[in-house]
Order: sequence, then structure tokens, then C-alpha cells
Amino acid sequence: GIQVEQSPPDLILQEGANSTLRCNFSDSVNNLQWFHQNPWGQLINLFYIPSGTKQNGRLSATTVATERYSLLYISSSQTTDSGVYFCAVLSYGGATNKLIFGTGTLLAVQP
Amino acid sequence: DAGVIQSPRHEVTEMGQEVTLRCKPISGHNSLFWYRQTMMRGLELLIYFNNNVPIDDSGMPEDRFSAKMPNASFSTLKIQPSEPRDSAVYFCASSNPRGAGREKLFFGSGTQLSVL
Repeated sequence: GIQVEQSPPDLILQEGANSTLRCNFSDSVNNLQWFHQNPWGQLINLFYIPSGTKQNGRLSATTVATERYSLLYISSSQTTDSGVYFCAVLSYGGATNKLIFGTGTLLAVQP
Repeated sequence: DAGVIQSPRHEVTEMGQEVTLRCKPISGHNSLFWYRQTMMRGLELLIYFNNNVPIDDSGMPEDRFSAKMPNASFSTLKIQPSEPRDSAVYFCASSNPRGAGREKLFFGSGTQLSVL
């Protein structure tokens, strides 16, 4: 099956810093989503981005489908950005709606 | 919309007991998913339904686990008998493949299950 790798596995930032999280996948995808799991365990959908670039406030994401990677940018980080960021993908020809999750990037933003 | 609603938020039970987790998907969403999250295995898809019909249950660990979706607004995940290794956070999620944002997945708050 499709493999999803995220890097770095963990990251510590000072408040105000910028960061880039990466998601590599081993096969063509027609669905890619980024999620944030906050310290209370809630999973929040950040982006649906199978290709191209999207922005939402201080967050933006870019997926280069032909090169099989996606990037999540966090600018001017805040302590509320702390948590785990997951990338999830669905490959062409895969079972409908069966999203496979990466192992996540643990982000800690310090005041 | 209130989002995906799961109950209970926390469940503590003894080994051998039956456990039932409940989920109400977002109104209008026709796909429903049950995931399990553990430190060792991350987020695993257990089963998903499309239009109330189970499509893929290959992630269900064993016969002790069963899931039902009797109507578009309710699903249950049952573990009988429960074992300590079933301790995890169980998430329900829903999506609407035909809607704007196509197949964007929305999660409930999860049920933290502890089997003693």
C-alpha cells in the first residue's frame, strides 16, 4: 500500500518563528489532507489539498503531486499551534475514502 | 452544525466487559469512519461506511469488534469482550464526497477507552 512519511518527527520553535513541515508519499494521490491534533486530542482539518497551494491565515500548504510531496507552512508561530500535524492521503485506485495517515510531526511552540 | 458527536468522552471498564461507542456524523455527510489511535500504531482506520453500508472493515482487529450504522445519523462500535490491549482513543469521522471540499474529513472529539 501507499507509504506516507512526515518530517521532521518533532520540532521545537520559539513563538514568532516560521516552520515548514513535509509529507512525502509513495504513490499518486487524488486526495491529500492536513490535520492538526491539539494537546487536548482534537483533530482539526486544516486543508484539503491534492494539488496546488492554499492559504488560511498564518497557515499555507502546497502539494506538488507530480513529485509526491506536500508542505505545510506555519508563519509567526503561536503557542496555540502546538500539537501534532498529520498528513493523510488517498491513492488513485485505492478503496474509496480510505485515507492513510502519516506518523505526524510533533510541534512545540515555546513562549 | 455541531460537528461529529461522539459519546462517551471517556470510558473505563474491566476486561471482559462489553463496550459500546457511539457516533453521530455531520448532517448530510454520507461517509462515516471509525479510527483508533495509539502511541504504537498511530491512527488506524478500523471500518468505514458509505450510505450506511460497510465498505471496508479490513482494519477491524478481530471478531471481538463490530460496527453498525442503522441509519444516516447514528453509528456504533462495539467491543465484546474487551481486553486491556483495546485501550486507545477511538475517533469517528465523517465526510461528504459530493460536497464542496470533496471528501474533506471531519473528526469527532474521540472516546478515550481504558480497559483494566
